[in-house]
Parts: sequence; C-alpha cells; structure tokens
Amino acid sequence: EPEVTQTPSHQVTQMGQEVILRCVPISNHLYFYWYRQILGQKVEFLVSFYNNEISEKSEIFDDQFSVERPDGSNFTLKIRSTKLEDSAMYFCASSAGGSSYNEQFFGPGTRLTVL
Amino acid sequence: RKEVEQDPGPFNVPEGATVAFNCTYSNSASQSFFWYRQDCRKEPKLLMSVYSSGNEDGRFTAQLNRASQYISLLIRDSKLSDSATYLCVVNENYGQNFVFGPGTRLSVLP
Repeated sequence: EPEVTQTPSHQVTQMGQEVILRCVPISNHLYFYWYRQILGQKVEFLVSFYNNEISEKSEIFDDQFSVERPDGSNFTLKIRSTKLEDSAMYFCASSAGGSSYNEQFFGPGTRLTVL
Repeated sequence: RKEVEQDPGPFNVPEGATVAFNCTYSNSASQSFFWYRQDCRKEPKLLMSVYSSGNEDGRFTAQLNRASQYISLLIRDSKLSDSATYLCVVNENYGQNFVFGPGTRLSVLP
C-alpha cells in the first residue's frame, strides 16, 4: 500500500539553526500539506501546496517557514531560525485531489527538538 | 477563531462496551467531516469520512447534524485495539486545510 514517508524521524537542533524536514508524498498525489503537533496538543495546519505554489497557510506559517518541491518526489519544510517553541511533531500529508472529500494521508512524522 | 471541540475524555470502558464520542464545529460553512484515530506518538489515520446521511463501517457509525453543527462517532463491541485518541476533523476550505479537534482518548480495558 502506498504511503507517505518522512525523514528524519527525529531531528535535534540548537536554537537559531536552520532545519529542513523532508517528505515523500504518495506518488500520484497532487496536493501536499504540513501540520505540526506540539506534545499533548492538537494537530495544527501549517500550509498546503499545489502546482508548485502555496495554496493556503495558517498564521503559524510565518516568514521563518518555507516549503519547496525541489524535484518530482520530495516535499520539504524549512525552518530558517528555529525557536524553542518550534519543538513539535511535524506531519506531512498528501491527497490525490483538492476537493472537500479527498482523504489526506499522513506520514509518520518528524519529531523536532530545539535545544 | 473557528474551532472544533470534542468531549474532553478520557473514556475508560470495558471490552464489549458501546461508546459514543461527540464533536461540535463552529464554522457553518464547513464542507466535509472525518474521524481520524491517532495512536500514541503516531500519525493520524483516517477512520471514516462522515456523510450527511450518516454512515456505518462495521462496528463504527458516524452521524452528522449540519443544523446543530454536530458530529458523532459510535463504537460498538469495543476491542482492546480500539484504544487510541479519536480526532474529529473538519475541512473548512474545499480540500485545503483540515481543522483538528483536540481529540478524545479511549482506553478499552480487559
């Protein structure tokens, strides 16, 4: 069964450093998403991406964040200068279409720890 | 801010019990609705979509009341493997961002 994969599974970084989280969405999917979940809290939407551009972003997704699809398979989330409060689980998701009823499939997540 | 609210839980039930979870959403323009389950420190996984007419998948039944902006999930004959956090998810914007509720944790006890 096709699945979304993410690397690394755990990333530890120093405050102020840049991190890049990587995702490989399901191959025939066209819509890509990043979510985060701070420990013990709810899953929060960050950004959606379609046709090589951001289609929607939340207020969390400020200038420190960027996304990119550098090739035909990877979808990355970059945090330019990490803060302690960026520590969270980051989930990538993809869907085949952009309509309301398209299921989003989630990757296993990258746990980001900012020290 | 538009929100999705759920029963705070946790729910601790014996095997074989029937348990119901409730969810309310504040954005009347919400388009579609889902129940996801999340095991501890894992990713959310789709349990079922919620259709206007209500739908059933084995032991799981989902209901939607658009007028009351209310969604429910009923689990019959609960199993130990049903222990997880159940997330109510609302799609507000035609397939773009999902809005997640805080989740209700279920523990099924032997």
